[in-house]
Amino acid sequence: DTGVSQDPRHKITKRGQNVTFRCDPISEHNRLYWYRQTLGQGPEFLTYFQNEAQLEKSRLLSDRFSAERPKGSFSTLEIQRTEQGDSAMYLCASTISAAETQYFGPGTRLLVL
Amino acid sequence: DQQVKQNSPSLSVQEGRISILNCDYTNSMFDYFLWYKKYPAEGPTFLISISSIKDKNEDGRFTVFLNKSAKHLSLHIVPSQPGDSAVYFCAASVSGTYKYIFGTGTRLKVLA
Repeated sequence: DTGVSQDPRHKITKRGQNVTFRCDPISEHNRLYWYRQTLGQGPEFLTYFQNEAQLEKSRLLSDRFSAERPKGSFSTLEIQRTEQGDSAMYLCASTISAAETQYFGPGTRLLVL
Repeated sequence: DQQVKQNSPSLSVQEGRISILNCDYTNSMFDYFLWYKKYPAEGPTFLISISSIKDKNEDGRFTVFLNKSAKHLSLHIVPSQPGDSAVYFCAASVSGTYKYIFGTGTRLKVLA
């Protein structure tokens, strides 16, 4: 399977805990995106990387959120001091430079109790 | 502000008939549009896209129409099949910004 993969698929945590999600993009894709989707809404852009450089962050990405892509391959999204409002599906997508179509992974569903 | 709107939260269609899903946008800078299909517990799957230089793009049973003056696009599925039952999202972007703005989705149910 050469698609975008995400790990874990599900995460239940208690309020105040830190969580980290991983995304492995399609191997030749140098752009990687994070989105968040809540119930009844479409995915909302959080941030994106070109290779290892984080080029844009949405204002949705509060100081508790940090994303990295240290070697320009996989990426991690960390949420510190989780809140119930962080409960959502976190989606990762990737694409190749100069291409417009993004390909999504299966997502990580986070539930904060 | 919702820049991309899908005003029909749900749609039911008989198998074999045409499904028409609609999407409106407000930002005239958008010049690339896509449709994604999403099954429960999965990520969105790319279906079809259209650039603003075209008004129609076809791929098998799926056709997307773009009306720039009305800031409206639609997805036609002909003939509809039960396996098409899913949530459909339209998305728009400004070329070079590398981020999509999604609508809220339309749940399509194709009845056998």
